[in-house]
Amino acid sequence: NAGVTQTPKFQVLKTGQSMTLQCAQDMNHNSMYWYRQDPGMGLRLIYYSASEGTTDKGEVPNGYNVSRLNKREFSLRLESAAPSQTSVYFCASSELGGNYNEQFFGPGTRLTVL
Amino acid sequence: AQTVTQSQPEMSVQEAETVTLSCTYDTSESDYYLFWYKQPPSRQMILVIRQEAYKQQNATENRFSVNFQKAAKSFSLKISDSQLGDAAMYFCAYISGYALNFGKGTSLLVTP
Repeated sequence: NAGVTQTPKFQVLKTGQSMTLQCAQDMNHNSMYWYRQDPGMGLRLIYYSASEGTTDKGEVPNGYNVSRLNKREFSLRLESAAPSQTSVYFCASSELGGNYNEQFFGPGTRLTVL
Repeated sequence: AQTVTQSQPEMSVQEAETVTLSCTYDTSESDYYLFWYKQPPSRQMILVIRQEAYKQQNATENRFSVNFQKAAKSFSLKISDSQLGDAAMYFCAYISGYALNFGKGTSLLVTP
């Protein structure tokens, strides 16, 4: 099992460009998440999907959209990238949402917006 | 607002010694879980240990243990017999609902 995979691993964008970060999990998990990690900070939740067909905003949703394509895949889209979105992006999944369920993380995507 | 505070940006420990990383949190919830995650230079987030708030017994995983003080809202991580592979960023996190709330992390250096 690959666990949680993310593509691409690195990306450089110019201000105003758009892109989609892809995430897939092969653990048959119901819940999926997108976090961002800025220098000197812990991870902050952007959006999450409690189950297939649902999405909800997290702490820092502005400038992003998400799509839960199916149970396996959860994508994050930047419609018009800004330098403030330079960050490392992590996708995660858990069997169910909620307190007990361990979230498994992908390897991250380092995004630079010039 | 729920916050997690790690007051030690950096810590250093010698191989085979013991080190304790501090974490405090703020919540009005009664049912929640606390976690310590390790992030090595590879960036991968790895769960180290988990504590359920309603359990008084401190969690232990091999060389890793926690000191959970619910009234004080304190959740420290003790690493015994430190190894070079323990060098990493360590994040304390709290969850109530869906979102993990992370502290800013403690960078642990392990010296031979």
